[in-house]
Amino acid sequence: GDSVTQMEGPVTLSEEAFLTINCTYTATGYPSLFWYVQYPGEGLQLLLKATKADDKGSNKGFEATYRKETTSFHLEKGSVQVSDSAVYFCALRRVADSWGKLQFGAGTQVVVTP
Amino acid sequence: EAGVVQSPRYKIIEKKQPVAFWCNPISGHNTLYWYRQNLGQGPELLIRYENEEAVDDSQLPKDRFSAERLKGVDSTLKIQPAELGDSAVYLCASSLDRIGQGAGEQYFGPGTRLTVT
Repeated sequence: GDSVTQMEGPVTLSEEAFLTINCTYTATGYPSLFWYVQYPGEGLQLLLKATKADDKGSNKGFEATYRKETTSFHLEKGSVQVSDSAVYFCALRRVADSWGKLQFGAGTQVVVTP
Repeated sequence: EAGVVQSPRYKIIEKKQPVAFWCNPISGHNTLYWYRQNLGQGPELLIRYENEEAVDDSQLPKDRFSAERLKGVDSTLKIQPAELGDSAVYLCASSLDRIGQGAGEQYFGPGTRLTVT
């Protein structure tokens, strides 16, 4: 079945450091890929998405590129802030599957220190 | 615009007791989802509604879980009786899905954290 694998956290880094969170997936066909962010005490928010190979999603300084050849969708940010501390979830959605159903990874906690 | 509203935010019950969660989706959103998020894991879909019809409930443990979405707006998820393993965060999400445009973005509520003792 479909699955999403993320690097384990917590990832702890200093403000202005470079952030990478690895995400790889297993799915048949061509899923859409997403990154969601969950701040403490809040619901998940869509951060960015990509719907086809080589697409790059970007938002709030975060970027991720849909790499079909490596089945990856790694999240990057060049200079993190303390406010980026949150849990980040990689997810996929198969268009041919249950319409709208998201398959999430386990999440990666990011802690940014001043 | 108000987001997805869930209540209660926290609930502690003893095992074998019943519990219910309520969700009010974003106004106008036709699709509603209930997810369960176990500690340290990503959310897993329990049930999806298109308007008032449950169209995907394959992951809902039907022996103890039930859900309804009367009038295609608010929804209630119930567990009876609760077990220790039901401790989790229950998330509600909604989206506006238009025919021919694919699934819309899902907006999540803050969740209800259930602790079964």
